[in-house]
Amino acid sequence: NAGVTQTPKFQVLKTGQSMTLQCAQDMNHNSMYWYRQDPGMGLRLIYYSASEGTTDKGEVPNGYNVSRLNKREFSLRLESAAPSQTSVYFCASSLQGHNSPLHFGNGTRLTVT
Amino acid sequence: GQQLNQSPQSMFIQEGEDVSMNCTSSSIFNTWLWYKQDPGEGPVLLIALYKAGELTSNGRLTAQFGITRKDSFLNISASIPSDVGIYFCAGQKAGGGADGLTFGKGTHLIIQP
Repeated sequence: NAGVTQTPKFQVLKTGQSMTLQCAQDMNHNSMYWYRQDPGMGLRLIYYSASEGTTDKGEVPNGYNVSRLNKREFSLRLESAAPSQTSVYFCASSLQGHNSPLHFGNGTRLTVT
Repeated sequence: GQQLNQSPQSMFIQEGEDVSMNCTSSSIFNTWLWYKQDPGEGPVLLIALYKAGELTSNGRLTAQFGITRKDSFLNISASIPSDVGIYFCAGQKAGGGADGLTFGKGTHLIIQP
């Protein structure tokens, strides 16, 4: 059982480049999330999808877009990367909203130069 | 957003010692969660608490949901090297939806040989 799978694991971008972070879960969860983790800041919610077909902004959505492609997949796109977006990005899923515990992927380490 | 104060920020202990960490907030939460993050991986759920005053154990770990619903504690007894990592608390606000989870900034546990 793979759980939550994120790709790629590492990425280096130049300022202004675009990329999409992929996330897939095989637990038949309804809700999916994207967080970023920065030193001293903990985990901050970028976007979430409470259920298939819906997406909503979290605490730090600027500079990002998301797509809930189907129940399994939730992608995060950076249209024009900036150095401030250097971070570790985590995808997570839960059975139904935050009332059920989150299951996290292993993260994507992104550096923007 | 809501603030969770997690302390201590880091702990340097000897193997075999007991560990205590806590999270406090000015807000009331319905659920408290404790996660552990190993280096290079995503956070993994350790303990979930759903009721004020609840005391729950998972092996050498014990967590409590504060009676005021504004705090939670995690204790680790007889620490071992594999306990090294970052521990996060997270609180789910009452009536919160998919965006209603707030994370603390983490406690770095370092075990000295």
